[in-house]
Amino acid sequence: DQQVKQNSPSLSVQEGRISILNCDYTNSMFDYFLWYKKYPAEGPTFLISISSIKDKNEDGRFTVFLNKSAKHLSLHIVPSQPGDSAVYFCAASAHDRGSTLGRLYFGRGTQLTVWP
Amino acid sequence: DAGITQSPRHKVTETGTPVTLRCHQTENHRYMYWYRQDPGHGLRLIHYSYGVKDTDKGEVSDGYSVSRSKTEDFLLTLESATSSQTSVYFCAIRGSDRNTEAFFGQGTRLTVV
Repeated sequence: DQQVKQNSPSLSVQEGRISILNCDYTNSMFDYFLWYKKYPAEGPTFLISISSIKDKNEDGRFTVFLNKSAKHLSLHIVPSQPGDSAVYFCAASAHDRGSTLGRLYFGRGTQLTVWP
Repeated sequence: DAGITQSPRHKVTETGTPVTLRCHQTENHRYMYWYRQDPGHGLRLIHYSYGVKDTDKGEVSDGYSVSRSKTEDFLLTLESATSSQTSVYFCAIRGSDRNTEAFFGQGTRLTVV
């Protein structure tokens, strides 16, 4: 079973508008969440993260919101730019005991297309 | 940029042959991971390592083995390559701090014919 889910495989947004990418998780032990961006033929690159002790983290045009009770997080990009067109992956980790420590669980990704 | 290098970057191999992919890091990070990326499946964990000679299986480990004899190198071996293992393989590294990101390599495109 997937523990991190991105239910929208694609999202299309006009330049200048807000992009909202969503992610749901099932494991209540997850306490650190990350977003990655991936361009074709490149490795994923880290974008922004949030600890479970927070409900919001901002970095420039990117904001991640965490709703622990709903086990849901979202990434907001404002304003969206054509260069933001990429696949976005949500990831989560849990600091429980044993060998799962440090393991990252990824969603299947959302292809964001920002059109002019 | 994090010091992580994958080799080779591209490889074509025949069904039934063994293949080894290498991941090398210069960051002295504790954790190393091998993922594969396939359309519709996102990033799926094959194996990961939490220390020298300490490894564990991920969600798609069948047909793969790994070894980590020193901190900087994490090898992924396809024991007998099959066409279903045609994919893009990514290595990642991550430090020991509680809340830290992972850094990915550039990927290896493997084609099994």
